[in-house]
Amino acid sequence: DAGVIQSPRHEVTEMGQEVTLRCKPISGHDYLFWYRQTMMRGLELLIYFNNNVPIDDSGMPEDRFSAKMPNASFSTLKIQPSEPRDSAVYFCASSLVSSYNEQFFGPGTRLTVL
Amino acid sequence: AQKVTQAQTEISVVEKEDVTLDCVYETRDTTYYLFWYKQPPSGELVFLIRRNSFDEQNEISGRYSWNFQKSTSSFNFTITASQVVDSAVYFCALSEAGTGGSYIPTFGRGTSLIVHP
Repeated sequence: DAGVIQSPRHEVTEMGQEVTLRCKPISGHDYLFWYRQTMMRGLELLIYFNNNVPIDDSGMPEDRFSAKMPNASFSTLKIQPSEPRDSAVYFCASSLVSSYNEQFFGPGTRLTVL
Repeated sequence: AQKVTQAQTEISVVEKEDVTLDCVYETRDTTYYLFWYKQPPSGELVFLIRRNSFDEQNEISGRYSWNFQKSTSSFNFTITASQVVDSAVYFCALSEAGTGGSYIPTFGRGTSLIVHP
């Protein structure tokens, strides 16, 4: 059974460009989480969805960040315009039935903004 | 507010040594969940264990064991007879009720374990 799928795995872009990160959760999981990992701040929760509905986006750092989940099998995290300080590894994770269940993480997208 | 402290930033051991990774948490809730995840060099976080606040029994899984003590707000993780493959960053996480009653995890900063052959 496929795990959480993220694309791209690596992204290098220039400041000011739009970046879109993609995630396909595990089939049947009804919670989806977006995290950002940096050396300075560790692992931060950005936003999470339950049944495709955004529940808490208080972790989204700025209006430049937006996330959508148009259906149960796909989510995007968009940064527009991107800045060098957005460079990080972005993880998507999903969980089954309840948010206190174990989370299954994707391999992450390493974003570098020049 | 919730907080997870992993005071050990990095631990270096030689293969076959036992090693304990500390995790101290803060919460005012009576119902909460504690987790450990492993992040190997490949980068993907892997779930190891979950404990709820009402279950203080220690857990053993092969060479891994976990000691949950509410009295000291700790959920420590011990690897017995460490192996090179145990080299990874280990995260402790705490979930308590958040928006809409969902339990949202807060992760500690992680402990990097290096096991030398």
